[in-house]
Order: sequence, then C-alpha cells, then structure tokens
Amino acid sequence: DAKTTQPDSMESTEGETVHLPCSHATISGNEYIYWYRQVPLQGPEYVTHGLQQNTTNSMAFLAIASDRKSSTLILPHVSLRDAAVYHCILRGTGSKLSFGKGAKLTVSP
Amino acid sequence: EAAVTQSPRNKVTVTGGNVTLSCRQTNSHNYMYWYRQDTGHGLRLIHYSYGAGNLQIGDVPDGYKATRTTQEDFFLLLELASPSQTSLYFCASSDLWGGRQNTLYFGAGTRLSVL
Repeated sequence: DAKTTQPDSMESTEGETVHLPCSHATISGNEYIYWYRQVPLQGPEYVTHGLQQNTTNSMAFLAIASDRKSSTLILPHVSLRDAAVYHCILRGTGSKLSFGKGAKLTVSP
Repeated sequence: EAAVTQSPRNKVTVTGGNVTLSCRQTNSHNYMYWYRQDTGHGLRLIHYSYGAGNLQIGDVPDGYKATRTTQEDFFLLLELASPSQTSLYFCASSDLWGGRQNTLYFGAGTRLSVL
C-alpha cells in the first residue's frame, strides 16, 4: 500500500466544519482511500472510503481530487465526540494494510 | 455489527516470559491482522492471515509468532518477551473480497507490559 501524508494535529471549536487533508501522491489506480478514526484506548473505527468520486455518509464527506493525489475528510459541525486521531490510508488489491500516525483532531468547547 | 474480541485486555509479564494474545472474530471474515500501537509510531502491522493455517509477515514481525487455527481465531505469541514489546496490541478482521468495502473491524485492544 502506498503511503499517505497528514498533518500531525489540527484544532477546532465545536460547531465548526473541519477539513482534514491527506496527500497520497503515489496512489495507484486500484487503490481506495479509507479514513478511520481512533479515540484513546479503543481500536480504529471506519469513517468512510472512496475511489474517485466524492462520497458522503452520516459521519463525513470525503472530497477526492480529480487526479486522486489528495483527499480531504470534511466533518460538518464537529462536536467534542469528534475529537480523535484520524487515519488516512490506501488499500488496493493487496491484503497488507499499514497505518501511519494519523492526524490528531482537538475540539474545544 | 461485526465483532472482534481480544483477550486478555491487560497483561503483565516479566522479561523472558511467554505470552499469548488471543483474538476471535465472528464476522466470517477471511483476513485477520495483529497491530501494535506505540506513541510516536501509530499502528504498525505485525502479522496477518488470510485463512486458517495461513500466516503473512507484516512490517514489524521480529520477536513475534502468530498462528491462525480457525477462520475465527488468530493468536499472537511472544515466546521470550522483552520490554520493547510493551505496547497496546490490536487485532482486526476484514473480508478483503467482500465487494469493494474491505473495511477493517478492530478489537478493543490488549495492553501488554513487559517488566
């Protein structure tokens, strides 16, 4: 799996819309972009994924650049419960899946 | 909802000790994974398996063995534990070929301390 680059941390305030960026310049054509989030003392939790088109679900909106070399996870109206480490990872046909350190999102009241 | 159960949740052992971490999934998933998580390193893949009897090497396999006895059960073995293996261990499962959504489902983790 190709590697991704995320900021180490981001800060926000409750009610704001947060944009979490991820760079994946060497992404292959068959690789999906996945986002997971992790709160302390728990395993990562699936947030969303996409291949080429933007996607949305109850948790977030995923915006994928037209060249697929970057993506942005958009969290609307964040609450304290959205504070977590967000992992952007790529997954293709291979079964090996490696995580990086992710981006720590802090949400202030 | 997919379920991955790890045991024990906490374990303390001494250097040179023998430790087995257990993981069971009831998702009928083919793939299972063992990760360790340490401050400053994020999640690192130790071993993974795509079925009973199969074992694949991950990114940080040294000092670890693993065995997949059934589709449901995946074990991580530390035969001569060292303090550098003090960490938070996560097990996960996924159905790689289940359509395009090969989402990983994680267990709650096992905190291991090697004194």
